[in-house]
Amino acid sequence: DTEVTQTPKHLVMGMTNKKSLKCEQHMGHRAMYWYKQKAKKPPELMFVYSYEKLSINESVPSRFSPECPNSSLLNLHLHALQPEDSALYLCASSQGSGGLYEQYFGPGTRLTVT
Amino acid sequence: KQEVTQIPAALSVPEGENLVLNCSFTDSAIYNLQWFRQDPGKGLTSLLLIQSSQREQTSGRLNASLDKSSGRSTLYIAASQPGDSATYLCLVGGQAGTALIFGKGTTLSVSS
Repeated sequence: DTEVTQTPKHLVMGMTNKKSLKCEQHMGHRAMYWYKQKAKKPPELMFVYSYEKLSINESVPSRFSPECPNSSLLNLHLHALQPEDSALYLCASSQGSGGLYEQYFGPGTRLTVT
Repeated sequence: KQEVTQIPAALSVPEGENLVLNCSFTDSAIYNLQWFRQDPGKGLTSLLLIQSSQREQTSGRLNASLDKSSGRSTLYIAASQPGDSATYLCLVGGQAGTALIFGKGTTLSVSS
């Protein structure tokens, strides 16, 4: 199984809501990533988890809170978002962290903040 | 700091043409380079991964080459088809810093 799954596919939330994005992989990968992609831009790295520990936070605002409950699962908790946070949120995984390993991407969650 | 550039930003070709997409990077200390395609509003589909020790990789009509010393990779698409229309992104896996940097992509349109 070489698949990374993400739920939900689409999410619309108000600025006062709390919601979560979920990502799952069953490839035995020990690194998982969150990327944010705005329209007509490349993905930008947000967070990296390695062996279930946060190893990189690319100066992401605290209204985004990642969580890695186990090696197969990655969540992104959202709270008090702004309309400019509307984007495609991509999850990826790799055998290990950093630039050495092939990245496998999920289909993304399209987030709209109203 | 690694910078990754993709040229051209957009490309329109008639069906059947062979074409080359370019990806250049400023820091040659890389582990690998990965090419992806992305359809509008969708996730990224991995096309080819070239390790730093390799010169090229092939998959079907696609061939990717890597010249680490000159900081360049090319993606060659043979006999293009309308279904190849998408944005093509390169991802450089570097040895330093954040280590994962995307180029801005080349948007390809193949007309029938």
